Amino acid sequence: QKEVEQDPGPLSVPEGAIVSLNCTYSNSAFQYFMWYRQYSRKGPELLMYTYSSGNKEDGRFTAQVDKSSKYISLFIRDSQPSDSATYLCAMGYGQNFVFGPGTRLSVLP
Amino acid sequence: NAGVTQTPKFQVLKTGQSMTLQCAQDMNHEYMSWYRQDPGMGLRLIHYSVGAGITDQGEVPNGYNVSRSTTEDFPLRLLSAAPSQTSVYFCASREGMTNEKLFFGSGTQLSVL
Repeated sequence: QKEVEQDPGPLSVPEGAIVSLNCTYSNSAFQYFMWYRQYSRKGPELLMYTYSSGNKEDGRFTAQVDKSSKYISLFIRDSQPSDSATYLCAMGYGQNFVFGPGTRLSVLP
Repeated sequence: NAGVTQTPKFQVLKTGQSMTLQCAQDMNHEYMSWYRQDPGMGLRLIHYSVGAGITDQGEVPNGYNVSRSTTEDFPLRLLSAAPSQTSVYFCASREGMTNEKLFFGSGTQLSVL
């Protein structure tokens, strides 16, 4: 079993839709949880991070962590074509990071 | 406001050739690292450094060599390229050891024939 699992997609949605992206993990030592966005032929950039279970909101983005189920989600409200990218979940403890393989999202105008 | 700069952007090598991927950051970050990204595999850590003169291995270090003579630069050397090293390589840096915010370069796409 991989340490971090993520559906690779691709996921296509119409503009304005609510998008739900998810990851599961197996290592209960993970203490912090992140979402990175990666545009085509670019490096990943940090979108959101959280240390605790529950929800964290930033504009149209909400990160949700359920440590008891070892499950994290990223919700995008009112999705825009500019949100089209690959979304990588990542989690870590201390200096150790583990990345999911990414979900490719296309938001169609 | 350069951040993390990687060169070259693209490279084609023949099996057995050697080359160096360059990485430089201008944020005075202590921590620098190299990842490779392969389809379906996620980003995998090759080597990392916590400061000048200090390097350590990550998850997939075989076939790669690194050194850190300055805070700014962290080159990655392929000693004898193999087709299995065809990948996209990313350099990343962060402030300190446990800061969650990694800053990535724009990547080097490497093909080994």
